[in-house]
Amino acid sequence: QVHLQESGPGLVKPSETLSLTCTVSGYSIFSGYFWGWIRQPPGKGLEWIGHMYHSGNTYYNPSLKSRVTISIPTSKNQFSLDLDSVTAADTAIYFCVRYNAGSLDYWGQGTLVTVSS
Amino acid sequence: DIIMTQSPLSLPVTLGQAASISCRSSQSLVDNDGNTYLNWFHQRPGQSPRRLIYKVSNRDSGVPDRFSGSGSGTEFTLKISRVEAEDVGIYYCMQGTQWPLTFGPGTKVEVK
Repeated sequence: QVHLQESGPGLVKPSETLSLTCTVSGYSIFSGYFWGWIRQPPGKGLEWIGHMYHSGNTYYNPSLKSRVTISIPTSKNQFSLDLDSVTAADTAIYFCVRYNAGSLDYWGQGTLVTVSS
Repeated sequence: DIIMTQSPLSLPVTLGQAASISCRSSQSLVDNDGNTYLNWFHQRPGQSPRRLIYKVSNRDSGVPDRFSGSGSGTEFTLKISRVEAEDVGIYYCMQGTQWPLTFGPGTKVEVK
């Protein structure tokens, strides 16, 4: 069974960089599929942030593209999200997900990130 | 971007009765490969979304057969034949035909 788990700071200061890591178990991210991030502001709907393939191909939401980087930082079975120059509007629950043929079949439990000084 | 809309946004239901949620896309979701990448997710409070349906009508493993998806082109429907207490929460449709992936605003299902 594929399992995804987000980790990272729960509080980030305005103008700084939000950095999260997703640890995957049950499947090697180097074997295939796209891996990415979805976010959900408290009490609101879902927003796609972006996805990447292990070869480096990436797709980002145009509304966030200038501030987002999704990457595989090490040889571990992990991928990461960096969101630059955050504001209060970036406060949300961040989910890591697996993209599979036009769908999102596995989700992490989500982690709340609050942007506040 | 493809805009997804849902109706109703709030759906009070009686346990044991049927329920239906509509999802519409601003353009056809038929991909060049002939597939239609329309998905349905269910989110309970405090939980991550769980996929129920993919490619319009394919139920995920473990999803009760009281859930069914239908539709084509730009209009889609999720039906629950007999609502159970565990079905409350928010239902989202999502299109995966075109980047960026986009979600509907969600339909909140609650017991009357």
